[in-house]
Amino acid sequence: NAGVTQTPKFRVLKTGQSMTLLCAQDMNHEYMYWYRQDPGMGLRLIHYSVGEGTTAKGEVPDGYNVSRLKKQNFLLGLESAAPSQTSVYFCASSYAGAGEETQYFGPGTRLLVL
Amino acid sequence: QKEVEQDPGPLSVPEGAIVSLNCTYSNSAFQYFMWYRQYSRKGPELLMYTYSSGNKEDGRFTAQVDKSSKYISLFIRDSQPSDSATYLCAMCSSGSARQLTFGSGTQLTVLP
Repeated sequence: NAGVTQTPKFRVLKTGQSMTLLCAQDMNHEYMYWYRQDPGMGLRLIHYSVGEGTTAKGEVPDGYNVSRLKKQNFLLGLESAAPSQTSVYFCASSYAGAGEETQYFGPGTRLLVL
Repeated sequence: QKEVEQDPGPLSVPEGAIVSLNCTYSNSAFQYFMWYRQYSRKGPELLMYTYSSGNKEDGRFTAQVDKSSKYISLFIRDSQPSDSATYLCAMCSSGSARQLTFGSGTQLTVLP
């Protein structure tokens, strides 16, 4: 049982390049999330999904797109990377049932945009 | 004003000390409260989860929620060097698709 995994672990991009971050979970969770973490700002929600084929915007969605074609995968895309998107990105997943409000996090992807 | 405020620290204590970490919040709709621990260059891991006001204990850790004051705390007894990490409070309301609002985190160092 691997939990939540993220690919890649680290990436360097040039301004204007595109990339996709992959998140996979093997816990059969319904909900999945993408966060970014910047110094002194905690974790901020980018996009989330409450089920296969559905996505919604979080607190800081601009410049990002997501897709959830399979229940176990949640993709985060940057179409045209900007230096302001330099951050550590975390994926998380959660059960939908009552009393299961906690989220389980992946190890993170460090992204540097030059 | 942020919805969730957390003392940023850093906090440095000697081994064996009692540590108190705190968060305040402004959204009265928050009903579920969590503490996450994050080691350097790792993802956050759930430490404590509480729903109602009051105390919840798990080993050396105690989570306290005071909804009337919109204040939550995490106490660590007999702190160990292995407790050195960043502690994040998080909370959400019911029916919010589990959208968590996080504090900015408190960096704790326990000195041997």
